[in-house]
Amino acid sequence: KQEVTQIPAALSVPEGENLVLNCSFTDSAIYNLQWFRQDPGKGLTSLLLIQSSQREQTSGRLNASLDKSSGRSTLYIAASQPGDSATYLCAVNTGANSKLTFGKGITLSVRP
Amino acid sequence: DGGITQSPKYLFRKEGQNVTLSCEQNLNHDAMYWYRQDPGQGLRLIYYSQIVNDFQKGDIAEGYSVSREKKESFPLTVTSAQKNPTAFYLCASSRPGNYEQYFGPGTRLTVT
Repeated sequence: KQEVTQIPAALSVPEGENLVLNCSFTDSAIYNLQWFRQDPGKGLTSLLLIQSSQREQTSGRLNASLDKSSGRSTLYIAASQPGDSATYLCAVNTGANSKLTFGKGITLSVRP
Repeated sequence: DGGITQSPKYLFRKEGQNVTLSCEQNLNHDAMYWYRQDPGQGLRLIYYSQIVNDFQKGDIAEGYSVSREKKESFPLTVTSAQKNPTAFYLCASSRPGNYEQYFGPGTRLTVT
């Protein structure tokens, strides 16, 4: 059974810092991995999707990498801003009818 | 303006009553999903549908029912058999296959 872990559960950093959010998964047989952002009381916003054949994807200040063999992904946020404060969730698609398995998320707080 | 709508945003019900949550999408996606989110837990899949008139149980289907009569709509009924119905419910959709999932804004259900 696929399990997805995100540690730590919460993170607080000063504005301007570059930071890395980690995601690990137990079964490397994945089709893709998706990073989401969730603001309090809101739905999920898709940030980046990495296919299993890709090593990384970039969107603006965000860069996500994937190392399937070691069961790891990282989300790199450059020059963090208070507006980046949110919960970041990682989800892996094992291909069984596109079912996503989610981690519990990392709640990020960027201090002005 | 394409997207996923969920209504209502907040829903309050008495124990023992069935309640139906609405999910509509105009993205022309074939696949739709229902997830449940509880504090401190990752999202868990309730039901999913890859095509009209077909749906499958997810990890926590007990006490829930769905229908998929139209491509755009995937309503979820929370029945009185669901032991702990109070939660945040999220609907998602995607193209068929292992593609990016897009989420709606969610419905917060409170049962007392």
